[in-house]
Amino acid sequence: EPEVTQTPSHQVTQMGQEVILRCVPISNHLYFYWYRQILGQKVEFLVSFYNNEISEKSEIFDDQFSVERPDGSNFTLKIRSTKLEDSAMYFCASSEAGIRETQYFGPGTRLLVL
Amino acid sequence: ELKVEQNPLFLSMQEGKNYTIYCNYSTTSDRLYWYRQDPGKSLESLFVLLSNGAVKQEGRLMASLDTKARLSTLHITAAVHDLSATYFCAVDNGGSQGNLIFGKGTKLSVKP
Repeated sequence: EPEVTQTPSHQVTQMGQEVILRCVPISNHLYFYWYRQILGQKVEFLVSFYNNEISEKSEIFDDQFSVERPDGSNFTLKIRSTKLEDSAMYFCASSEAGIRETQYFGPGTRLLVL
Repeated sequence: ELKVEQNPLFLSMQEGKNYTIYCNYSTTSDRLYWYRQDPGKSLESLFVLLSNGAVKQEGRLMASLDTKARLSTLHITAAVHDLSATYFCAVDNGGSQGNLIFGKGTKLSVKP
């Protein structure tokens, strides 16, 4: 069964460093998302991406964040200068047709900023 | 701003018992999703509810949606230990891409 994959599964970084989180969405899906979940808290929407551009973004997704689809399979989230409060589990999700469709979530990348 | 509230946030049940988790949301939407999350794991899609009165069942779980009341319920019948997990409801925020706003989750523990 097709699934969303994410790498790395864990990343530890120093405050101020740049990190890139990678996702491979399900191959025939067209809509891509990033969410994050701070430990023990709810899942929060960061950004949605369709047709090679950002569709919507939340207040969390400030200028330190960017997304890119560098090729036909990968979807990346970059945090330019990490802060302690960026420590969270980051989930990538994809859906076939966006609205009214199931979003399939990847296994997540646990980011720890020291 | 769309708000999604779940209750209870914590639920300890005996095996074999029935219970209901409630999900209220603050703005008009007819697109509601239920997910399950096991500790340290990702989110697994359980149900997609896309119209008023929608009811879906899978095994011991049944979900329903009342868009007029802005309420969805997840009913657990004859709980078993394997259902222990955190259950999230999520509502489409009305944008064009289906961005989801999640509730805080209900941590369910089923005890023998």
